[in-house]
Amino acid sequence: DAGVTQSPTHLIKTRGQQVTLRCSPKSGHDTVSWYQQALGQGPQFIFQYYEEEERQRGNFPDRFSGHQFPNYSSELNVNALLLGDSALYLCASTGLATTGELFFGEGSRLTVL
Amino acid sequence: AQSVTQPDIHITVSEGASLELRCNYSYGATPYLFWYVQSPGQGLQLLLKYFSGDTLVQGIKGFEAEFKRSQSSFNLRKPSVHWSDAAEYFCAVGARGSTLGRLYFGRGTQLTVWP
Repeated sequence: DAGVTQSPTHLIKTRGQQVTLRCSPKSGHDTVSWYQQALGQGPQFIFQYYEEEERQRGNFPDRFSGHQFPNYSSELNVNALLLGDSALYLCASTGLATTGELFFGEGSRLTVL
Repeated sequence: AQSVTQPDIHITVSEGASLELRCNYSYGATPYLFWYVQSPGQGLQLLLKYFSGDTLVQGIKGFEAEFKRSQSSFNLRKPSVHWSDAAEYFCAVGARGSTLGRLYFGRGTQLTVWP
């Protein structure tokens, strides 16, 4: 049973560029959440997708957007990259019919130069 | 406001010694509580969780945690630490209902284990 998979694992961008990160949830899960983990910090909630709609959103600007596909996979898009967007981006999946336990992928490490 | 405090940024213990990592939370609703572990360059692995019922919960790798509502705490313990336990540990809080699946994390405690 495959867990949560994310791609790419590492990427480097320059300021002002745009990036797309991808996530496939654990089998049987229908809900995907994205978190940003800056160096030396705990993960911070960006947003959550369920039934292809954004269900909840954290305190992140509109430059951060997402999408969920019919197969429950998800993308995180960040426009107009800033140096401060350098972080580990974690995808987590869950089934909302359960008690909300999150299963995390290994993350995409984004470096903005 | 929802928040999690892990007061110890870095803890060092000797292999075989006991361990306690502290976690205090602030949350308006009945909380779900979690401990996750993160090895360098890796994602988060769930150690244990508390949803309801018995306030002492057992997790993987010999870890346990106790929920104390009166103290708003959920401290993680292990009676005998192994060198492989060296990692970063995160406490997190969430809730049922419309915010299910949204977790608030502490800033983490880095554990170093001396041989």
